[in-house]
Amino acid sequence: DTAVSQTPKYLVTQMGNDKSIKCEQNLGHDTMYWYKQDSKKFLKIMFSYNNKELIINETVPNRFSPKSPDKAHLNLHINSLELGDSAVYFCASSQESRNHEQYFGPGTRLTVT
Amino acid sequence: GNSVTQMEGPVTLSEEAFLTINCTYTATGYPSLFWYVQYPGEGLQLLLKATKADDKGSNKGFEATYRKETTSFHLEKGSVQVSDSAVYFCALVYQAGTALIFGKGTTLSVSS
Repeated sequence: DTAVSQTPKYLVTQMGNDKSIKCEQNLGHDTMYWYKQDSKKFLKIMFSYNNKELIINETVPNRFSPKSPDKAHLNLHINSLELGDSAVYFCASSQESRNHEQYFGPGTRLTVT
Repeated sequence: GNSVTQMEGPVTLSEEAFLTINCTYTATGYPSLFWYVQYPGEGLQLLLKATKADDKGSNKGFEATYRKETTSFHLEKGSVQVSDSAVYFCALVYQAGTALIFGKGTTLSVSS
């Protein structure tokens, strides 16, 4: 069974479009995250939610909007896509009471042309 | 602020060679420390962790010891295999539910 899943795995789109990436975890965790990995492999936190409540909101453009319909899902919607948004986006989850371990999804490679 | 510094790569080794990837951190307090591995085209997998000073994390022949006095968490393996070729990330977190802070990653390439 897949613990943290993301869809789609690949996303190719044009500048100016709006797209969404979905994430689901079946681990029963209460916290979920979005990380961005740039072309140099550097990973940085974007957002995190705990029990559907926004906890971390790093300095990202407000074209990025996370949404958590329930604690097993955290989606990322991006408006007016720009070339610089091209990256790999990783979803992760953790349980507060469990040693700080975060489990990552397989990533979504977004390419903006 | 809190940060993690890893040795620059790429690291290129022959099979069965000894591996060390250096990692040091800057933090106030006592974070938990991790090594994550990213195989080509895949997501991140937790390789090992240590949650307090002098703890040793180990998995798949890899080891790292949490050294508070040197603020280090160096990754070692006695004999690498071609299948260990991947990007390795050192990371820290302060408390459950907060974000991981990653180093820039070190690419390891092992040839037979």
